[in-house]
Amino acid sequence: ETGVTQTPRHLVMGMTNKKSLKCEQHLGHNAMYWYKQSAKKPLELMFVYNFKEQTENNSVPSRFSPECPNSSHLFLHLHTLQPEDSALYLCASSQDTSGIYEQYFGPGTRLTVT
Amino acid sequence: QQQVKQSPQSLIVQKGGISIINCAYENTAFDYFPWYQQFPGKGPALLIAIRPDVSEKKEGRFTISFNKSAKQFSLHIMDSQPGDSATYFCAASSINNQGGKLIFGQGTELSVKP
Repeated sequence: ETGVTQTPRHLVMGMTNKKSLKCEQHLGHNAMYWYKQSAKKPLELMFVYNFKEQTENNSVPSRFSPECPNSSHLFLHLHTLQPEDSALYLCASSQDTSGIYEQYFGPGTRLTVT
Repeated sequence: QQQVKQSPQSLIVQKGGISIINCAYENTAFDYFPWYQQFPGKGPALLIAIRPDVSEKKEGRFTISFNKSAKQFSLHIMDSQPGDSATYFCAASSINNQGGKLIFGQGTELSVKP
C-alpha cells in the first residue's frame, strides 16, 4: 500500500499501563514523523526524526517518548496516559526534511485510554 | 500565524457536482500547499500540491486555485463521484524556514451522494 506500516492497529490501555507503538517504512526514506489525529481537529505534529536525529518535539508531554533506532523504524513509547490522549496516532515518512518531499502516512494506531 | 483555517467542516454533494473546499493562511512565508485525502481506516495520502508561483494546478478532476494576495487556496473536485467520499486536509509549509514541517487544516468530510 503506502509502504508505511504501523502496529498495532488498535490499542486499548489503562492509565497505568506502558505500551509501545511501532512504525516501519519500506521506502528508503530518511525522515519519520509522529502525528496525533483527533476528531474535528487538525493533524498535530508530535515528533520529527531526520537521519535518526530528533529535529522536532512539538511540546509533547513526557508521557510520550519517541525512539528512532534507524531510519526505517520509529517507536512511540506510552506510559501513564490520560483519557484525552485517546486518538489516532499516525506515522509518516519522507525522503528527508530539507525540501518539498511528499509525506507517506501509515494507516495509524487507534488508541483508547480507559 | 501558524494556523491554516479550512472550511467547510463537512460537505454533501450530488454525484456529478462540483465540490469546493477552501483554506486560508496568515504566514506569508508559506510556500508549499498540498492537499491530502484520507479514506476511513487509512492514513492521509497526497492528492495534489501547488507552489505560489502559479495560480492554478489541475490534475484530472482535481484543481487547486491559489490566491496569493488573499492568502487563500481551494480544492475543486469536478464531476464528483461517490468514490471521492473522504476527508480532505489542506496543509502549508515554509520550505526554507521549516523544512518539511506541514501545518494542517481541520479537515473536510466530503460525502458524494449517488
